[in-house]
Amino acid sequence: DADVTQTPRNRITKTGKRIMLECSQTKGHDRMYWYRQDPGLGLRLIYYSFDVKDINKGEISDGYSVSRQAQAKFSLSLESAIPNQTALYFCATAATGNTGELFFGEGSRLTVL
Amino acid sequence: AQRVTQPEKLLSVFKGAPVELKCNYSYSGSPELFWYVQYSRQRLQLLLRHISRESIKGFTADLNKGETSFHLKKPFAQEEDSAMYYCALTVNFNKFYFGSGTKLNVKP
Repeated sequence: DADVTQTPRNRITKTGKRIMLECSQTKGHDRMYWYRQDPGLGLRLIYYSFDVKDINKGEISDGYSVSRQAQAKFSLSLESAIPNQTALYFCATAATGNTGELFFGEGSRLTVL
Repeated sequence: AQRVTQPEKLLSVFKGAPVELKCNYSYSGSPELFWYVQYSRQRLQLLLRHISRESIKGFTADLNKGETSFHLKKPFAQEEDSAMYYCALTVNFNKFYFGSGTKLNVKP
């Protein structure tokens, strides 16, 4: 089945370390998104991309960077992780022209000590 | 700026009771509204969208532009409806803004 896959699913790291979360999809969608989920705050948009050459900041992009290596791959990096970046991170995809349905990955739980 | 507010973090009802999950939004234009659901150990998924005016799993949601609300309703809750529900908004199908979520617990 066409899917949205996130790796790693769980990661524990230390303050100051560089971390990369990867997202790949087999849905053939052009749009990809990274969200962060925190208790009581819901999902907040970090970055989004409409194609390989298009990268856009979301609500909370500070401290994060992204790379769209191919239409199917969208990676999120934390250059120097800090404890308040401990959260559940979701990748999502959508097709242009689709009436608003986002397809989510299973999430990557990151803990920064 | 766009904002989606879900005032209830937790809503507990008994099986068979009506349920209403509240969602209010702030946006000066004409947004499109959605409800997403996350069942235990499953991915976040679309439940219903305003543009389709559909009923899914017995749930409906009416967009009230005067009150800027998009409350999710079901006349008779079932135990399998227990999940986390998120209201979401988009203004041009580019960016999607989510509320903080409401956990629905349907008791037997």
